[in-house]
Amino acid sequence: AQSVTQLGSHVSVSEGALVLLRCNYSSSVPPYLFWYVQYPNQGLQLLLKYTSAATLVKGINGFEAEFKKSETSFHLTKPSAHMSDAAEYFCAVSDRDGATNKLIFGTGTLLAVQP
Amino acid sequence: KAGVTQTPRYLIKTRGQQVTLSCSPISGHRSVSWYQQTPGQGLQFLFEYFSETQRNKGNFPGRFSGRQFSNSRSEMNVSTLELGDSALYLCASSLPSGGEQFFGPGTRLTVL
Repeated sequence: AQSVTQLGSHVSVSEGALVLLRCNYSSSVPPYLFWYVQYPNQGLQLLLKYTSAATLVKGINGFEAEFKKSETSFHLTKPSAHMSDAAEYFCAVSDRDGATNKLIFGTGTLLAVQP
Repeated sequence: KAGVTQTPRYLIKTRGQQVTLSCSPISGHRSVSWYQQTPGQGLQFLFEYFSETQRNKGNFPGRFSGRQFSNSRSEMNVSTLELGDSALYLCASSLPSGGEQFFGPGTRLTVL
Protein backbone atom coordinates (compact mmCIF):
# COMPACT_ATOMS: atom_id res chain seq x y z
CA ALA A 1 0.00 0.00 0.00
CA GLN A 2 1.14 3.50 -0.70
CA SER A 3 2.23 5.75 2.11
CA VAL A 4 3.62 9.22 2.58
CA THR A 5 6.00 10.38 5.29
CA GLN A 6 6.48 14.01 6.20
CA LEU A 7 9.47 14.55 8.45
CA GLY A 8 8.92 17.26 11.02
CA SER A 9 5.42 18.02 12.22
CA HIS A 10 6.52 21.56 13.10
CA VAL A 11 9.01 23.71 11.24
CA SER A 12 9.93 27.26 12.22
CA VAL A 13 11.86 29.65 10.01
CA SER A 14 12.64 33.34 10.05
CA GLU A 15 11.10 35.66 7.53
CA GLY A 16 13.34 35.71 4.45
CA ALA A 17 14.92 32.33 5.22
CA LEU A 18 14.76 29.19 3.10
CA VAL A 19 11.76 26.96 3.60
CA LEU A 20 12.33 23.21 3.25
CA LEU A 21 9.52 20.76 3.98
CA ARG A 22 10.30 17.09 3.52
CA CYS A 23 8.16 14.40 1.94
CA ASN A 24 9.01 10.79 1.12
CA TYR A 25 6.69 8.32 -0.53
CA SER A 26 6.67 4.57 -0.72
CA SER A 27 5.60 3.12 -4.03
CA SER A 28 7.19 0.75 -6.52
CA VAL A 29 5.85 2.88 -9.35
CA PRO A 30 6.26 6.66 -9.13
CA PRO A 31 2.83 7.98 -8.27
CA TYR A 32 1.30 11.35 -8.85
CA LEU A 33 2.57 13.67 -6.12
CA PHE A 34 1.00 16.79 -4.71
CA TRP A 35 1.61 19.49 -2.14
CA TYR A 36 -1.38 21.18 -0.57
CA VAL A 37 -1.54 24.07 1.89
CA GLN A 38 -4.23 24.62 4.50
CA TYR A 39 -4.83 27.91 6.27
CA PRO A 40 -6.80 27.94 9.54
CA ASN A 41 -10.48 27.09 9.12
CA GLN A 42 -10.12 26.58 5.39
CA GLY A 43 -9.96 23.72 2.93
CA LEU A 44 -6.88 22.56 1.08
CA GLN A 45 -5.32 24.57 -1.72
CA LEU A 46 -3.08 22.92 -4.31
CA LEU A 47 0.44 24.35 -4.37
CA LEU A 48 1.91 22.11 -7.05
CA LYS A 49 1.78 18.65 -8.57
CA TYR A 50 4.13 16.15 -10.19
CA THR A 51 2.64 13.98 -12.90
CA SER A 52 5.71 12.86 -14.89
CA ALA A 53 6.98 15.80 -16.84
CA ALA A 54 9.85 17.88 -15.45
CA THR A 55 11.24 16.67 -12.15
CA LEU A 56 11.46 20.23 -10.85
CA VAL A 57 7.94 21.47 -10.42
CA LYS A 58 7.08 25.11 -9.88
CA GLY A 59 3.95 26.02 -8.02
CA ILE A 60 2.11 29.01 -6.73
CA ASN A 61 3.40 31.59 -4.24
CA GLY A 62 7.04 30.93 -5.14
CA PHE A 63 7.08 27.30 -4.00
CA GLU A 64 8.74 24.50 -5.92
CA ALA A 65 9.42 20.82 -5.40
CA GLU A 66 11.87 18.37 -6.90
CA PHE A 67 10.94 14.76 -7.64
CA LYS A 68 13.86 12.42 -6.91
CA LYS A 69 13.05 8.85 -7.82
CA SER A 70 16.28 7.45 -6.37
CA GLU A 71 15.41 8.96 -2.99
CA THR A 72 11.62 8.52 -3.30
CA SER A 73 11.35 12.13 -2.23
CA PHE A 74 9.36 15.18 -3.20
CA HIS A 75 10.56 17.95 -0.90
CA LEU A 76 8.95 21.39 -0.99
CA THR A 77 11.10 24.52 -0.98
CA LYS A 78 10.78 28.27 -1.12
CA PRO A 79 13.87 30.50 -1.24
CA SER A 80 12.53 33.23 1.01
CA ALA A 81 9.77 32.76 3.58
CA HIS A 82 7.03 35.32 4.00
CA MET A 83 4.80 35.78 7.01
CA SER A 84 1.82 34.79 4.87
CA ASP A 85 3.38 31.34 4.33
CA ALA A 86 2.52 30.33 7.89
CA ALA A 87 0.10 27.44 7.44
CA GLU A 88 -0.06 23.65 7.44
CA TYR A 89 1.38 21.83 4.45
CA PHE A 90 0.41 18.37 3.28
CA CYS A 91 2.15 16.08 0.86
CA ALA A 92 -0.10 13.58 -0.94
CA VAL A 93 0.14 10.75 -3.45
CA SER A 94 -2.28 9.23 -5.88
CA ASP A 95 -2.08 6.11 -8.02
CA ARG A 96 -1.47 6.44 -11.75
CA ASP A 97 -3.78 3.64 -12.77
CA GLY A 98 -6.64 6.00 -13.51
CA ALA A 99 -9.08 3.90 -11.54
CA THR A 100 -9.36 6.34 -8.69
CA ASN A 101 -8.50 9.86 -7.59
CA LYS A 102 -7.97 8.75 -3.99
CA LEU A 103 -5.31 10.83 -2.25
CA ILE A 104 -3.16 9.47 0.53
CA PHE A 105 -1.90 12.29 2.71
CA GLY A 106 1.06 12.69 4.96
CA THR A 107 0.55 13.83 8.53
CA GLY A 108 1.24 17.44 7.68
CA THR A 109 3.89 19.99 8.62
CA LEU A 110 2.92 23.16 10.43
CA LEU A 111 5.11 26.00 9.23
CA ALA A 112 5.69 28.96 11.52
CA VAL A 113 7.39 32.08 10.18
CA GLN A 114 9.09 34.32 12.73
CA PRO A 115 9.51 38.04 12.09
CA LYS B 1 -15.64 29.16 -12.43
CA ALA B 2 -17.16 28.76 -9.03
CA GLY B 3 -15.21 26.57 -6.65
CA VAL B 4 -16.34 23.56 -4.68
CA THR B 5 -19.08 24.47 -2.23
CA GLN B 6 -20.06 22.60 0.89
CA THR B 7 -23.09 23.05 3.07
CA PRO B 8 -23.54 23.55 5.88
CA ARG B 9 -20.22 24.99 7.06
CA TYR B 10 -20.85 24.14 10.70
CA LEU B 11 -23.00 21.54 12.40
CA ILE B 12 -23.58 20.56 15.99
CA LYS B 13 -25.25 17.23 16.66
CA THR B 14 -25.66 14.91 19.60
CA ARG B 15 -24.64 11.27 19.87
CA GLY B 16 -26.99 8.89 18.14
CA GLN B 17 -28.29 11.41 15.63
CA GLN B 18 -27.61 11.27 11.94
CA VAL B 19 -26.29 13.99 9.65
CA THR B 20 -26.18 14.72 5.93
CA LEU B 21 -23.51 16.89 4.36
CA SER B 22 -23.69 18.29 0.85
CA CYS B 23 -21.06 19.05 -1.77
CA SER B 24 -21.38 20.80 -5.12
CA PRO B 25 -18.38 20.21 -7.38
CA ILE B 26 -16.80 22.53 -9.88
CA SER B 27 -18.82 22.65 -13.08
CA GLY B 28 -17.69 19.85 -15.40
CA HIS B 29 -16.06 17.78 -12.67
CA ARG B 30 -17.65 14.37 -12.40
CA SER B 31 -15.48 12.89 -9.67
CA VAL B 32 -16.22 13.79 -6.05
CA SER B 33 -14.22 12.54 -3.10
CA TRP B 34 -14.78 12.93 0.63
CA TYR B 35 -12.16 13.14 3.36
CA GLN B 36 -12.29 13.29 7.13
CA GLN B 37 -9.76 15.46 8.94
CA THR B 38 -9.12 15.07 12.67
CA PRO B 39 -6.19 16.12 14.86
CA GLY B 40 -5.49 12.51 15.79
CA GLN B 41 -5.90 10.70 12.48
CA GLY B 42 -5.13 13.47 10.02
CA LEU B 43 -6.66 13.43 6.57
CA GLN B 44 -8.34 10.16 5.71
CA PHE B 45 -10.12 9.16 2.53
CA LEU B 46 -13.77 8.25 2.95
CA PHE B 47 -15.02 7.49 -0.55
CA GLU B 48 -15.05 8.64 -4.16
CA TYR B 49 -17.95 8.88 -6.55
CA PHE B 50 -17.81 9.10 -10.31
CA SER B 51 -20.84 9.18 -12.56
CA GLU B 52 -23.14 8.34 -9.66
CA THR B 53 -21.14 5.22 -8.77
CA GLN B 54 -18.89 4.70 -5.79
CA ARG B 55 -15.56 3.66 -7.26
CA ASN B 56 -13.43 3.60 -4.15
CA LYS B 57 -14.03 3.43 -0.42
CA GLY B 58 -11.82 4.04 2.57
CA ASN B 59 -11.66 2.09 5.79
CA PHE B 60 -14.66 3.52 7.61
CA PRO B 61 -17.62 1.75 9.20
CA GLY B 62 -20.88 1.34 7.36
CA ARG B 63 -22.37 4.26 9.29
CA PHE B 64 -20.62 6.43 6.73
CA SER B 65 -22.31 6.44 3.36
CA GLY B 66 -22.61 8.66 0.37
CA ARG B 67 -24.20 9.14 -2.97
CA GLN B 68 -23.85 11.22 -6.10
CA PHE B 69 -26.61 12.68 -8.20
CA SER B 70 -26.83 13.01 -11.95
CA ASN B 71 -25.65 16.64 -11.75
CA SER B 72 -22.50 15.40 -9.92
CA ARG B 73 -23.54 16.92 -6.60
CA SER B 74 -22.77 14.59 -3.74
CA GLU B 75 -24.00 13.99 -0.24
CA MET B 76 -22.51 12.01 2.59
CA ASN B 77 -24.45 10.68 5.51
CA VAL B 78 -23.30 9.59 8.93
CA SER B 79 -25.78 7.65 11.02
CA THR B 80 -25.73 6.97 14.75
CA LEU B 81 -23.18 9.67 15.41
CA GLU B 82 -20.36 9.04 17.87
CA LEU B 83 -18.18 11.56 19.67
CA GLY B 84 -15.25 10.44 17.51
CA ASP B 85 -17.06 11.55 14.37
CA SER B 86 -16.34 15.16 15.29
CA ALA B 87 -14.15 16.34 12.45
CA LEU B 88 -13.74 18.59 9.45
CA TYR B 89 -15.29 16.85 6.45
CA LEU B 90 -13.76 17.91 3.17
CA CYS B 91 -15.14 17.38 -0.28
CA ALA B 92 -12.98 17.53 -3.40
CA SER B 93 -13.85 17.45 -7.07
CA SER B 94 -11.74 16.60 -10.08
CA LEU B 95 -11.74 15.40 -13.63
CA PRO B 96 -12.00 11.60 -13.95
CA SER B 97 -8.38 10.66 -13.44
CA GLY B 98 -4.91 11.93 -12.86
CA GLY B 99 -5.77 15.52 -12.21
CA GLU B 100 -5.54 17.53 -9.09
CA GLN B 101 -8.43 17.61 -6.68
CA PHE B 102 -10.00 20.92 -5.77
CA PHE B 103 -11.20 21.12 -2.21
CA GLY B 104 -14.14 22.87 -0.68
CA PRO B 105 -13.95 24.79 2.60
CA GLY B 106 -15.24 21.85 4.58
CA THR B 107 -18.05 21.18 7.03
CA ARG B 108 -17.07 21.30 10.68
CA LEU B 109 -19.11 18.66 12.52
CA THR B 110 -19.19 18.67 16.30
CA VAL B 111 -20.83 15.74 18.08
CA LEU B 112 -21.81 16.37 21.70
